[in-house]
Amino acid sequence: AQKITQTQPGMFVQEKEAVTLDCTYDTSDPSYGLFWYKQPSSGEMIFLIYQGSYDQQNATEGRYSLNFQKARKSANLVISASQLGDSAMYFCAGANYGGSQGNLIFGKGTKLSVKP
Amino acid sequence: KAGVTQTPRYLIKTRGQQVTLSCSPISGHRSVSWYQQTPGQGLQFLFEYFSETQRNKGNFPGRFSGRQFSNSRSEMNVSTLELGDSALYLCASSSRTFPYEQYFGPGTRLTVT
Repeated sequence: AQKITQTQPGMFVQEKEAVTLDCTYDTSDPSYGLFWYKQPSSGEMIFLIYQGSYDQQNATEGRYSLNFQKARKSANLVISASQLGDSAMYFCAGANYGGSQGNLIFGKGTKLSVKP
Repeated sequence: KAGVTQTPRYLIKTRGQQVTLSCSPISGHRSVSWYQQTPGQGLQFLFEYFSETQRNKGNFPGRFSGRQFSNSRSEMNVSTLELGDSALYLCASSSRTFPYEQYFGPGTRLTVT
């Protein structure tokens, strides 16, 4: 089973600055994936970025990048040039590929507030 | 491509009643997963259906059940509602091709009084 830990309940960032949201994971499965989702106040979960355990390079998607440090078991999300629309809850999630592939294990989330 | 749709968006039920929630996945996706989100427990996996078969199940009582139809649409049923069942119920669809990323619907907010 996976365990996902997000230690920052809330964070503030100034518009146009970069911010890092922390995520650590714990799994004994050598094959796994890590995902980040954004949940605005409307409730819908929006898929942002994915990192696989065997990927050699850190994932990037536009202003989102994932700082993957396997030895530290961390998969931090970096948002560059924050925008007001980035204010939302952010969830880190993991999935083990060795066993059941249908379910994501989520962290508790980090509430990001972007200040103008 | 249309996204995941869930109906109804909001629901108010009384304790002891039962409720059925519906989810239509992205066209071509055959996997549908359900999650419960509450302020106290966060996001928890309920179950996954793939090709009309339940593939995985989370740690929820038998009052929570689901099914999937041949067109991949899925329904989730909760019987004998309890106050603690008040939550946002999210449905996610996946093509079930690596890396199995899931795309979520807007959710159904269930309030049990």
